[in-house]
Amino acid sequence: GESVGLHLPTLSVQEGDNSIINCAYSNSASDYFIWYKQESGKGPQFIIDIRSNMDKRQGQRVTVLLNKTVKHLSLQIAATQPGDSAVYFCAETPYSGGGADGLTFGKGTHLIIQP
Amino acid sequence: EPEVTQTPSHQVTQMGQEVILRCVPISNHLYFYWYRQILGQKVEFLVSFYNNEISEKSEIFDDQFSVERPDGSNFTLKIRSTKLEDSAMYFCASSKWANQPQHFGDGTRLSIL
Repeated sequence: GESVGLHLPTLSVQEGDNSIINCAYSNSASDYFIWYKQESGKGPQFIIDIRSNMDKRQGQRVTVLLNKTVKHLSLQIAATQPGDSAVYFCAETPYSGGGADGLTFGKGTHLIIQP
Repeated sequence: EPEVTQTPSHQVTQMGQEVILRCVPISNHLYFYWYRQILGQKVEFLVSFYNNEISEKSEIFDDQFSVERPDGSNFTLKIRSTKLEDSAMYFCASSKWANQPQHFGDGTRLSIL
C-alpha cells in the first residue's frame, strides 16, 4: 500500500552544524506535506509545511525541499542546537476537495545533537 | 499561544472496559482528528471530524471506536470494549481548515491490563 518513510532512523550531528533529514513518499496523489518534531513525552509539534505546487519553503532556521519527480522531501535545519534533539516525522496527505484528510506519517528520524 | 489539551494524561483500564479520552481543540479550529502511536512506532491516523460528523476514518477505526463533540469545546474518543492491543498513545489534533497544519495535543497514554 501507499506509505511514507524515512531513510535513516538516527542522525547524529555536531552542535552548530546543519542537519538534513530525508523522507521518501510513494503516494503520487500526495499534495500537502508537513514536518513535525516530537520530543519525549510530547505530541508532534508542527515545524513547517509545503504544498505540491512549491519545491522549497523556508522558515526560521528550517528549509523544506520537495522533489515531486522522485517523491522526496527533506528538512534542513541550520546551525543545530541542543534543543533540536528530537524525533522528526514527515507526514503527507492527498488533496481531496476540502475534506478533513488524515495525515500519513513516516517512521521518524531521531536527531541527536553532539556537543 | 493556543494549544490542544488532552485529559487524562495517563489512563489505565481493564480489558473489556469502556474508556473515553477527552480533548479540547484550539477554539477557532473547525477540523478535529484522532491519531494513535503504539510505543516505538509511527503515528497512525484514526478518524477526522468536521461539521459534527466523521469526515474520514482509517481501517483501525472499527465499530469499537466512536467520536463525539458533545458541546462547543470538547471532542471525545470512546473505545467500547478495550483490548490489549489498544494500548498506545492517543493524540488529538485540530486544524483551522482542511489541509492546514494540524496541531497536536500531548496525548493520553492508554494502558490496557
